[in-house]
Amino acid sequence: QQQVKQSPQSLIVQKGGISIINCAYENTAFDYFPWYQQFPGKGPALLIAIRPDVSEKKEGRFTISFNKSAKQFSLHIMDSQPGDSATYFCAASRGGGKLIFGQGTELSVKP
Amino acid sequence: DVKVTQSSRYLVKRTGEKVFLECVQDMDHENMFWYRQDPGLGLRLIYFSYDVKMKEKGDIPEGYSVSREKKERFSLILESASTNQTSMYLCASTPWGSNYGYTFGSGTRLTVV
Repeated sequence: QQQVKQSPQSLIVQKGGISIINCAYENTAFDYFPWYQQFPGKGPALLIAIRPDVSEKKEGRFTISFNKSAKQFSLHIMDSQPGDSATYFCAASRGGGKLIFGQGTELSVKP
Repeated sequence: DVKVTQSSRYLVKRTGEKVFLECVQDMDHENMFWYRQDPGLGLRLIYFSYDVKMKEKGDIPEGYSVSREKKERFSLILESASTNQTSMYLCASTPWGSNYGYTFGSGTRLTVV
């Protein structure tokens, strides 16, 4: 019940396309859902986050969509650029507790 | 710029050696974490600490121990390194009462031969 399942494991998108990464969770007590971005040789960094009281949050080209009834949330990257090539992790936590991370998605954006 | 610094970028150790991975943060954060990152498995929590001399087991503590003698420093110890501990190790920190924005170090790539 503590797991967060992420898919796909890898993703190749053409420049200008939309990248979509999906996550699913079981624990309905989770109340915070962040996405982290990791470039090669670096640690993950917080990209964007959402709470379950909203269905969508947008920051620039990055959007989180949240479906509470389905217990799923996803990251959409619009107009994907080669500079977006990185590993992306979804995560979840409850009440400010420690984060549970997904398995990661390696995104490659081709020029 | 706030930082989490991991002392080594790459380490190669022999099976059976005792290995120390060091992490230092300059943000006066109370919470510190050690994760290992493996392809297809994501980030798995090894140990965490909410205060000096405090430690709690994460999801995969077997074969590891930790030490937190000072607030800014959190050490991960492999008592007797084994080849299945070859991995990327990441340290992170957050302020007390808030696990909403982890600051990660750049990681230590450990190879056990």
